[in-house]
Amino acid sequence: SAVISQKPSRDICQRGTSLTIQCQVDSQVTMMFWYRQQPGQSLTLIATANQGSEATYESGFVIDKFPISRPNLTFSTLTVSNMSPEDSSIYLCSVGGQGALRDNEQFFGPGTRLTVL
Amino acid sequence: RKEVEQDPGPFNVPEGATVAFNCTYSNSASQSFFWYRQDCRKEPKLLMSVYSSGNEDGRFTAQLNRASQYISLLIRDSKLSDSATYLCVVNIGGYGGATNKLIFGTGTLLAVQP
Repeated sequence: SAVISQKPSRDICQRGTSLTIQCQVDSQVTMMFWYRQQPGQSLTLIATANQGSEATYESGFVIDKFPISRPNLTFSTLTVSNMSPEDSSIYLCSVGGQGALRDNEQFFGPGTRLTVL
Repeated sequence: RKEVEQDPGPFNVPEGATVAFNCTYSNSASQSFFWYRQDCRKEPKLLMSVYSSGNEDGRFTAQLNRASQYISLLIRDSKLSDSATYLCVVNIGGYGGATNKLIFGTGTLLAVQP
């Protein structure tokens, strides 16, 4: 499977500021996704990062709050804007598996642990 | 009703025990199913895909019952290193389609005791 890295691995931020998280993959992938895992909770899909077009957001998530870029097939960014303590969470990127039999599998980056004060 | 439901546990079992996790899903159109493992403060890692005929990988066996919308994971001869949270995951996108959306259960915590 692809090797996925995220930067930063963790950060502590003041409310009202914004943080951009980077996700880098060591090979070209078609599908990239951004998830959130709030404390003690499971993962929730934020959006699908589409290369060359606007991201597709899930219900409850909007572009103004979580703008996403996907300039090429190996890189994406997620920005958490105008942060509040409720945004404290782990943010994970994932990529879709490659090959016909693995299309629907996803592999996750190590996550970015965000704390908002 | 949650889209994917699991018993949160914790399951406390002795080494060598056999333990089974169950999961139900609500979207009958779901096409692909997975078990992921998540260690504390780590990202989820794919443990097994679950196929209609069921599948086995060493000590791990996964079963799917589409009629009952039920997925299971059996772990035989538990090891201390099996201690983790096991996430039941359903992909509602189908194979090869443009939609590829994973829905995660809340996870079942397993603690294997020496």
